[in-house]
Amino acid sequence: AQTVTQSQPEMSVQEAETVTLSCTYDTSESDYYLFWYKQPPSRQMILVIRQEAYKQQNATENRFSVNFQKAAKSFSLKISDSQLGDAAMYFCAYRKGAGGTSYGKLTFGQGTILTVHP
Amino acid sequence: EAQVTQNPRYLITVTGKKLTVTCSQNMNHEYMSWYRQDPGLGLRQIYYSMNVEVTDKGDVPEGYKVSRKEKRNFPLILESPSPNQTSLYFCASSSVGSYNSPLHFGNGTRLTVT
Repeated sequence: AQTVTQSQPEMSVQEAETVTLSCTYDTSESDYYLFWYKQPPSRQMILVIRQEAYKQQNATENRFSVNFQKAAKSFSLKISDSQLGDAAMYFCAYRKGAGGTSYGKLTFGQGTILTVHP
Repeated sequence: EAQVTQNPRYLITVTGKKLTVTCSQNMNHEYMSWYRQDPGLGLRQIYYSMNVEVTDKGDVPEGYKVSRKEKRNFPLILESPSPNQTSLYFCASSSVGSYNSPLHFGNGTRLTVT
C-alpha cells in the first residue's frame, strides 16, 4: 500500500521569506500523481500544486514550486515570498495512475501546520 | 458556481442515533468520495463511487454506509454512531476522464458523537 509521510508537524516562516515543506512517499507504481493541498482555518481543501510522475520538470504555480525527486520518492513544497494568507495546514497527497482498483483515491500525509509571522 | 455542498457543517449527536451527512455536486462528476480527517492521521478515504449505483470501500469503511442513487448526490450514513467516529468529514468529487483531474472538496462536516 502507498504511504505518504510529512515529518514536520509544524513549521514557521517570517513574512516575505521562503519556507520548504517536506513530503516523502512510498509506492511501487511508476505512474502516479502528487499534490499539495492547503487547508486554512475555514477548513476548505484548496489545491496548491500538482505534479505528474512522468514529468521531470518541477511544477510551479506563482510563488509555489515543488522539488520532485522521483528516485528518492520526495516531493517538497517551496513557498517563496511568504504571505500572511499562506498560514494554513498543508497536506501532501498521492494518487495512483491508470489501472487497478481504488481509482481516484488520494493518500494523504499527516499534514504540516504553517505559521507566518509578520 | 461549480461546487460540492455538504450539510450540515456542524453536527453533535449521541451514541447510537442514526444520522446522514448529505453531499451534492453540480459539476456532473462521475466520481465521488468520502474522507475523514483526524489529527496526526491526515485524511483517509471511507467510501467512493465511480458512478450511479457503483460504490466501493476505502481504507476505513467500518461503521459507515453510502448510496449513490443519483449522479449528483452521495450521502454518508452512520447507522449507529460511536464516539470514535467523531471527526471532520469531507466529500469530494471529480471527473473520470483524466487521472490528474483534481478532486473538488466540500467544506467539511464537523461531527461530534457523545
